Amino acid sequence: AQRVTQPEKLLSVFKGAPVELKCNYSYSGSPELFWYVQYSRQRLQLLLRHISRESIKGFTADLNKGETSFHLKKPFAQEEDSAMYYCALIQGAQKLVFGQGTRLTINP
Amino acid sequence: DTGVSQNPRHKITKRGQNVTFRCDPISEHNRLYWYRQTLGQGPEFLTYFQNEAQLEKSRLLSDRFSAERPKGSFSTLEIQRTEQGDSAMYLCASSPQAETQYFGPGTRLLVL
Repeated sequence: AQRVTQPEKLLSVFKGAPVELKCNYSYSGSPELFWYVQYSRQRLQLLLRHISRESIKGFTADLNKGETSFHLKKPFAQEEDSAMYYCALIQGAQKLVFGQGTRLTINP
Repeated sequence: DTGVSQNPRHKITKRGQNVTFRCDPISEHNRLYWYRQTLGQGPEFLTYFQNEAQLEKSRLLSDRFSAERPKGSFSTLEIQRTEQGDSAMYLCASSPQAETQYFGPGTRLLVL
């Protein structure tokens, strides 16, 4: 079965420190992976998708098919990065399969 | 606001009652999705429409759940004979073809 695993439910780092949110997946075929973010009192929104290879708000994520990972990284965390982050893959070009999410807290 | 809207935003009901939620997608998005999110979990897929056709239903969608999208625009999700286990956030999303899904604010259901 297709599955997305985010091993850390909580992650806390200091402002200015590097951030890495882990995501591993199991999927047969070529996956399309996403990171979604939910800021406090806001709706879930797309942060980035691997096929676009963009850097959004300083975040990047590289798909590693050998390790079946799609970790999200940012070199210097900012306080406004505090949010809930979800890794997801799309199955059958239709439904998203989400991980459990990681709550990131940036300490001043 | 031209994003996905959902109503009501909150619903409290007693066990055994029926509830109905509405989702208005972004105009001209022909795909509409329903997800359910319980505390501490990521959203889980429930069902998906392309225009008015319901093309996929999760096994999570028991026979007490029904969803419609009668004219290919807004959608409704009805839960009959609610149970306490139905308490969750119900999310709607829409997309133009198989692209980025845009989420609504969700309807939080509490079954007492």
